[in-house]
Amino acid sequence: DTGVSQNPRHKITKRGQNVTFRCDPISEHNRLYWYRQTLGQGPEFLTYFQNEAQLEKSRLLSDRFSAERPKGSFSTLEIQRTEQGDSAMYLCASSWAPLAKNIQYFGAGTRLSVL
Amino acid sequence: ELKVEQNPLFLSMQEGKNYTIYCNYSTTSDRLYWYRQDPGKSLESLFVLLSNGAVKQEGRLMASLDTKARLSTLHITAAVHDLSATYFCAGSISGTYKYIFGTGTRLKVLA
Repeated sequence: DTGVSQNPRHKITKRGQNVTFRCDPISEHNRLYWYRQTLGQGPEFLTYFQNEAQLEKSRLLSDRFSAERPKGSFSTLEIQRTEQGDSAMYLCASSWAPLAKNIQYFGAGTRLSVL
Repeated sequence: ELKVEQNPLFLSMQEGKNYTIYCNYSTTSDRLYWYRQDPGKSLESLFVLLSNGAVKQEGRLMASLDTKARLSTLHITAAVHDLSATYFCAGSISGTYKYIFGTGTRLKVLA
């Protein structure tokens, strides 16, 4: 078990381009979460999946953001028409429910810089 | 909507001293978590507190939960430099698995 893996680690893009990030959760974890973290702030919830179902999505997630988890394993987060305000660290976490503790294990993140 | 507030936001302390970080949350939360984040790294789970009066301890860190006061504390005993990091608390909205994080407390332990 190698933990939560995120790729790429860094992404630099120009404003208006589309970007896609990938997250591979800990195997057998059925819950997967995406967060966004900006400098000096705590992680901000974006969305989560149980298996392949997207159960909740933050109001902060505009129409430009979409996430999928097609087979209940890895997940992708796509941002279309990137804006400078999208620059942040995007974190993925996974957990195993139905354990009551539901501890989330975080990946190292993808740092996005929009120029 | 659940809101989580931590204080202080910044803490500079001498090695060997004790201190407490406070985490207040606005509405009922099923679980309360504490995480540690080192600069440039991801978050590491420290504690999960599930019920009123819960107390967990690991080394020089002890976390407690008072659900009636909607308050969790992270107590640091005899701080050492290795504890320098940012500490986050997070609550989960009742009936969901949506987690709300506090802004974090940046701790610096001075030798």
